[in-house]
Amino acid sequence: AQSVTQLGSHVSVSEGALVLLRCNYSSSVPPYLFWYVQYPNQGLQLLLKYTTGATLVKGINGFEAEFKKSETSFHLTKPSAHMSDAAEYFCAVTPEGGQGNLIFGKGTKLSVKP
Amino acid sequence: NAGVTQTPKFQVLKTGQSMTLQCAQDMNHEYMSWYRQDPGMGLRLIHYSVGAGITDQGEVPNGYNVSRSTTEDFPLRLLSAAPSQTSVYFCASSYVKWHEAFFGQGTRLTVV
Repeated sequence: AQSVTQLGSHVSVSEGALVLLRCNYSSSVPPYLFWYVQYPNQGLQLLLKYTTGATLVKGINGFEAEFKKSETSFHLTKPSAHMSDAAEYFCAVTPEGGQGNLIFGKGTKLSVKP
Repeated sequence: NAGVTQTPKFQVLKTGQSMTLQCAQDMNHEYMSWYRQDPGMGLRLIHYSVGAGITDQGEVPNGYNVSRSTTEDFPLRLLSAAPSQTSVYFCASSYVKWHEAFFGQGTRLTVV
């Protein structure tokens, strides 16, 4: 069965520091990959997605992620954290040719210290 | 453009009561789904629909029913609520099943 692993349920960074949130997936076929962000008491909002083509994907709010097939990874990065980035981040996959439902990781809560 | 609208936002039920969580989208999306979010568990798929009249089970379907009579609406029914169904429920829709999903604001359900 497909699975998504997010390393670290909580990550804390200082404002201005690099943000790195890790995501690994298990799939025999390259999937479609997504990062979603959830602010407190809100629904999920798409940050970025990888379907085909360029493996470095840029999203909203300065985030980007790189698809590495050999490592089955899709880590999320941002060069300089801002206080407004504090939220929970979810990595998700939807296998090509599957039912299309999103399989989510358990989430990583990002805290940003002033 | 409202996107995905869920009602109610909050609900408290007694064990054994029934209720329907409403979900409506105005984007003419074919694919709709229901997830539940529990602390430390991420989001898990309950049921989904690939179009009007077609539904199927997800990872955690027990205790829930769905129907899809129109493209716009995808209600989730709890026939006999149990404390284990205390959770935050999200409805999502997408143009086709592997495209970006748009989420509602969620329904926070407590079963006592």
